[in-house]
Amino acid sequence: SQTIHQWPATLVQPVGSPLSLECTVEGTSNPNLYWYRQAAGRGLQLLFYSVGIGQISSEVPQNLSASRPQDRQFILSSKKLLLSDSGFYLCAWRDAGISGNTIYFGEGSWLTVV
Amino acid sequence: GDSVTQMEGPVTLSEEAFLTINCTYTATGYPSLFWYVQYPGEGLQLLLKATKADDKGSNKGFEATYRKETTSFHLEKGSVQVSDSAVYFCALSTKAGGTSYGKLTFGQGTILTVHP
Repeated sequence: SQTIHQWPATLVQPVGSPLSLECTVEGTSNPNLYWYRQAAGRGLQLLFYSVGIGQISSEVPQNLSASRPQDRQFILSSKKLLLSDSGFYLCAWRDAGISGNTIYFGEGSWLTVV
Repeated sequence: GDSVTQMEGPVTLSEEAFLTINCTYTATGYPSLFWYVQYPGEGLQLLLKATKADDKGSNKGFEATYRKETTSFHLEKGSVQVSDSAVYFCALSTKAGGTSYGKLTFGQGTILTVHP
């Protein structure tokens, strides 16, 4: 069966520090991968998606970047965090086959920028 | 573009009450529809889904029917429990194929609190 893991689960970072959140998927090949952000009291916003290694699309302009160095690894980064980057970050995956239209989420990472 | 509108919360109910959370959508084509649930401090879990008109998704006593004529996917449960307290998200996904990436578009979420 497929599983998705992301880490760290919780982190507190000062303004201006770098960020790296990592996500891996097991039990599938060539998945579509996603990073979502959920700001406090708000809905979910798609930040990045990837359909293959090295292929990253950004949905909104922002202070963050994403990379996919391996088929089942998706990394969310920032060189210098802003206070507004605080939130709950969720990695997700979907089977890229035409019939696979359910998106499955990781456990989430709580980021507080202070 | 695609959009999902959910009933505003928070919703507060007593145990064993009937629950309805309204969800309507706008989309091009024929989307798949989903309800996700987020328990406190956790990620999102798929609760149920429906992929075509008149389909009924069901799980854990929750149900939702894909109504194309009213572009709705309302979530219902006949008797809620304290353990159902969570945030519920309605979402749609366009049919993925070829270079389409099938992203999810979410509603704003509805907070449900169930008291004993």
